[in-house]
Amino acid sequence: TQLLEQSPQFLSIQEGENLTVYCNSSSVFSSLQWYRQEPGEGPVLLVTVVTGGEVKKLKRLTFQFGDARKDSSLHITAAQPGDTGLYLCAGWESGGSNYKLTFGKGTLLTVNP
Amino acid sequence: KAGVTQTPRYLIKTRGQQVTLSCSPISGHRSVSWYQQTPGQGLQFLFEYFSETQRNKGNFPGRFSGRQFSNSRSEMNVSTLELGDSALYLCASSWTSNAYEQYFGPGTRLTVT
Repeated sequence: TQLLEQSPQFLSIQEGENLTVYCNSSSVFSSLQWYRQEPGEGPVLLVTVVTGGEVKKLKRLTFQFGDARKDSSLHITAAQPGDTGLYLCAGWESGGSNYKLTFGKGTLLTVNP
Repeated sequence: KAGVTQTPRYLIKTRGQQVTLSCSPISGHRSVSWYQQTPGQGLQFLFEYFSETQRNKGNFPGRFSGRQFSNSRSEMNVSTLELGDSALYLCASSWTSNAYEQYFGPGTRLTVT
C-alpha cells in the first residue's frame, strides 16, 4: 500500500490569512483527490487532479499536482471560518484491474473569526 | 436526489459481540465502498462491492465482512468485536466500480466497550 503524508497535521489561523497544506508520497499515483470533512459528516470531494503539473482552481482554493505525480498542495486564499474542517488528500492506486483509494491522515484546519 | 444514508448513526457494543452496519447508496449507484476512520490510522479502505460481488479488499482481518444486495444496498459485519474496532465507519457510493467520484455517507460511529 502506498502512503500519503500530509502536513501540517494541525493549522489554526485568523480569518483573511492565506495557507498551504501539503500531501507527499514516495510513490506515483494515477490521480490525487482532495476532500473536506466536517464534524459528524463524511468527506466531500473537492477536486480530482490527474495530469502531472496540473493546477485547478475552485473559488479561493488552488490545487496543484506535482510534475512527478507524487505530491500535491492545496492553497487557500483569504481563509474564512466556513473553510474550517479536516482536509484529506487521497490517491488512487492500482491493484491489477481494481483500484482503491488511499487516504492521508489529514490536516485539521481551524479558521478563527 | 437523496444522498448516501447509513444506519444506525451511533452504536455501542461490548467486546466479543458482533455488529451489522447498513448503507444505502445514491439511487442509480451500483458500487459501494466501506472505510474505517480512526484518529490514529485515518481513513482506511475495507472493501468494495459492485453488482453484489466483492471487487476489492483492503488489509483487514476476516472478522470484517460485507455483502451487497440486488438493490445495491450494502451491509458490513464485524464479528468478535475488539476495543480497537471503535471507529467511524463510512460508506461511499459511485455509479460504477473504479469511478473517481465517490459520495460518502455521514458514517456510523461504533464504540466498543
